Amino acid sequence: DGGITQSPKYLFRKEGQNVTLSCEQNLNHDAMYWYRQDPGQGLRLIYYSQIVNDFQKGDIAEGYSVSREKKESFPLTVTSAQKNPTAFYLCASTPRQKGNYGYTFGSGTRLTVV
Amino acid sequence: SQQGEEDPQALSIQEGENATMNCSYKTSINNLQWYRQNSGRGLVHLILIRSNEREKHSGRLRVTLDTSKKSSSLLITASRAADTASYFCATDLAGGADGLTFGKGTHLIIQP
Repeated sequence: DGGITQSPKYLFRKEGQNVTLSCEQNLNHDAMYWYRQDPGQGLRLIYYSQIVNDFQKGDIAEGYSVSREKKESFPLTVTSAQKNPTAFYLCASTPRQKGNYGYTFGSGTRLTVV
Repeated sequence: SQQGEEDPQALSIQEGENATMNCSYKTSINNLQWYRQNSGRGLVHLILIRSNEREKHSGRLRVTLDTSKKSSSLLITASRAADTASYFCATDLAGGADGLTFGKGTHLIIQP
């Protein structure tokens, strides 16, 4: 079955560490997105990518970095510059950017700073 | 910036009743989408309504869109315990950057 796989499901980070969250899709979608969700809140856009080797900052990109070397993969690195990284991170994809398509979401990664 | 705002923030009803959630937004949109999220899980796409559409149905779901009032509603008929979840509206902004803008959601509890 096609879908989006996020790993790991839970991740613990020490202060000052960089960590990388994985997102892989086998839907042949061009556009991929990273969102952050805090308790009781909606989703906020971190980064998005419309094609391979290209990505754009979203509303809250500071302290995060991404890469898009393959169409299927869009990993997110939470750097030590992100002051409050504890949150639920969701990856999504859609066939093309700005089309009338719904997003397909992964099951999320819960990141906790210890 | 917060584009969509759902109302109410929380809703508790008896199984079998209808549930209505509302969403308001601020700027012009290409489409508006509704998603469901079960606790600790990813979001599931429910329905998309384009800016030139006024009503759309999918199974027990009915969505309306009023672009003059910049508002949408999601109606779930004959609710079931399995409908307990958070529901989010998301807008695709006209002429804006890529990426949906989400509201804070309505938490729906269906009492058996």
